Amino acid sequence: SQTIHQWPATLVQPVGSPLSLECTVEGTSNPNLYWYRQAAGRGLQLLFYSVGIGQISSEVPQNLSASRPQDRQFILSSKKLLLSDSGFYLCAWRQRLKFYGYTFGSGTRLTVV
Amino acid sequence: GQQLNQSPQSMFIQEGEDVSMNCTSSSIFNTWLWYKQDPGEGPVLLIALYKAGELTSNGRLTAQFGITRKDSFLNISASIPSDVGIYFCAGINAGNMLTFGGGTRLMVKP
Repeated sequence: SQTIHQWPATLVQPVGSPLSLECTVEGTSNPNLYWYRQAAGRGLQLLFYSVGIGQISSEVPQNLSASRPQDRQFILSSKKLLLSDSGFYLCAWRQRLKFYGYTFGSGTRLTVV
Repeated sequence: GQQLNQSPQSMFIQEGEDVSMNCTSSSIFNTWLWYKQDPGEGPVLLIALYKAGELTSNGRLTAQFGITRKDSFLNISASIPSDVGIYFCAGINAGNMLTFGGGTRLMVKP
């Protein structure tokens, strides 16, 4: 069966520090991968998506970047965090050829102080 | 971009009562999804709808894909305390892009 792992679960970082959140998927190949951000009590905002290794599409210009160094690995990064980067970050995947819905990871709660 | 209007934004429900929520859009979607998110967790897929008019159940949950392909509703029957959480609708368009509604926060009085 397919599983998605996201870490860390919580993170407190000072303003100006770098960020690296990692997401990996197991049990499938060639997945579409997504990073979402959710502000407290709000809906989900798509940040990046990837349809293959090295292929990244950005939905919202911002202080963040994404990379996909391996087929089932998706990384969200920042060189210098801002206070406004605080939020709940969710990784998700879906099968490319047969659609069975988007599956989400358990999320990372990022607090920038 | 495409917008999904989800209502109500929040609701209190007496345990045992039924609850309804819906999503509407000015755009057509090919697939409708309903997710539930517990506090501090990622959303979990409850029901997926693939055809206009489709009515699908998952236990006490029932969802329908509107005939116009621009709306969907989710019903929860005989609510229980563990139904608490945020419910999101999501639509997938012809370009395979997913758009989320703003969520319905369900709070149940025990």
